Amino acid sequence: DQQVKQNSPSLSVQEGRISILNCDYTNSMFDYFLWYKKYPAEGPTFLISISSIKDKNEDGRFTVFLNKSAKHLSLHIVPSQPGDSAVYFCAASDRGSGTYKYIFGTGTRLKVLA
Amino acid sequence: NAGVTQTPKFRILKIGQSMTLQCTQDMNHNYMYWYRQDPGMGLKLIYYSVGAGITDKGEVPNGYNVSRSTTEDFPLRLELAAPSQTSVYFCAVGVTEAFFGQGTRLTVV
Repeated sequence: DQQVKQNSPSLSVQEGRISILNCDYTNSMFDYFLWYKKYPAEGPTFLISISSIKDKNEDGRFTVFLNKSAKHLSLHIVPSQPGDSAVYFCAASDRGSGTYKYIFGTGTRLKVLA
Repeated sequence: NAGVTQTPKFRILKIGQSMTLQCTQDMNHNYMYWYRQDPGMGLKLIYYSVGAGITDKGEVPNGYNVSRSTTEDFPLRLELAAPSQTSVYFCAVGVTEAFFGQGTRLTVV
């Protein structure tokens, strides 16, 4: 049972345009969400997070939107740069349970074309 | 400041052999995690620990064991390696955001 889903395995975007990566979850107890970026042969690196008390969080070119009623979050990258080409994972946690386990999606491979 | 260090980086095991994947952190975090990444399957949580002496199962714990005797170290043990355990293994630490090691690529043949 995949609790966190990223239904688009890959995405190609032109440099300078907006990249939108999507993530859906099924567990209504999730209250904290994160996005990670992963380059080949490296560990994932943290990008941005959002708590369920918010519906938007921005950090530079990266913005995460949360729609709790739809159990959906998205990561917007504006403007996209070739260095953004990587695999992006969303992750969710039920912090209210006190365990802080992170459940990851399957990832979306973003390719930014120069 | 090393952060999260995993050893070895690569390993080939024969079916039935055992090994320990090492994870050491210098960030003084209580929370540590082991994940495996299979192609197209994302990261699956194997085990996690909320502090020295406390561990718990994640999504895919079968075939693995862990221990946490110190804050710094969280080794993952494979007792009887199977081809299904061929994967890339990541150790992570942290709470509000998890910091990952570089990974161990394990092949079981």
